[in-house]
Amino acid sequence: DQQVKQNSPSLSVQEGRISILNCDYTNSMFDYFLWYKKYPAEGPTFLISISSIKDKNEDGRFTVFLNKSAKHLSLHIVPSQPGDSAVYFCAASPSGAGSYQLTFGKGTKLSVIP
Amino acid sequence: DAGITQSPRHKVTETGTPVTLRCHQTENHRYMYWYRQDPGHGLRLIHYSYGVKDTDKGEVSDGYSVSRSKTEDFLLTLESATSSQTSVYFCAIRGGQGVNEQFFGPGTRLTVL
Repeated sequence: DQQVKQNSPSLSVQEGRISILNCDYTNSMFDYFLWYKKYPAEGPTFLISISSIKDKNEDGRFTVFLNKSAKHLSLHIVPSQPGDSAVYFCAASPSGAGSYQLTFGKGTKLSVIP
Repeated sequence: DAGITQSPRHKVTETGTPVTLRCHQTENHRYMYWYRQDPGHGLRLIHYSYGVKDTDKGEVSDGYSVSRSKTEDFLLTLESATSSQTSVYFCAIRGGQGVNEQFFGPGTRLTVL
């Protein structure tokens, strides 16, 4: 049973436009959410996170939105750049005793077209 | 740079042979993890460690064992490699106390023929 779902395997966006990557979760115990970016032949790198006490977190061109009632989060990249082309993984963890474990989605491959 | 190295970075082996992958960290973090990444599956947890000699199973632990005799090293062993274990393996560490983020090494690409 997939607890973190990224339903779009791929996404293509024109340079300069907004990229929106979506993630849904089913486990109500999740209360901390992360996005990772992965280039080919490299390890995933941490991008941005959000706690369930917030509904938005912004870091430069990257903003993560959390809708707890819908169990949905999204990553917005504005403006998109060719260097943003990568696979993006959504991850989630519960608080307390389980906070050391992350559950990952399957990833969305973003292609930013110059 | 989270100070994580993995060795080897690439390995080709034959079915039935034992294989050990090494993860080394310089950050002195308590938690270390082994994941595998496969097309269509994302990142799946194999085993993790919460201290020296303290390890536990993850989602896909069958066919794998781990050991952690020092804080800085976490070893993943495939006792008898199978073709289904062809994958890219990532080691990760968890950030300091109160930090949920994990930081990943560069990965080991393992091919089992």
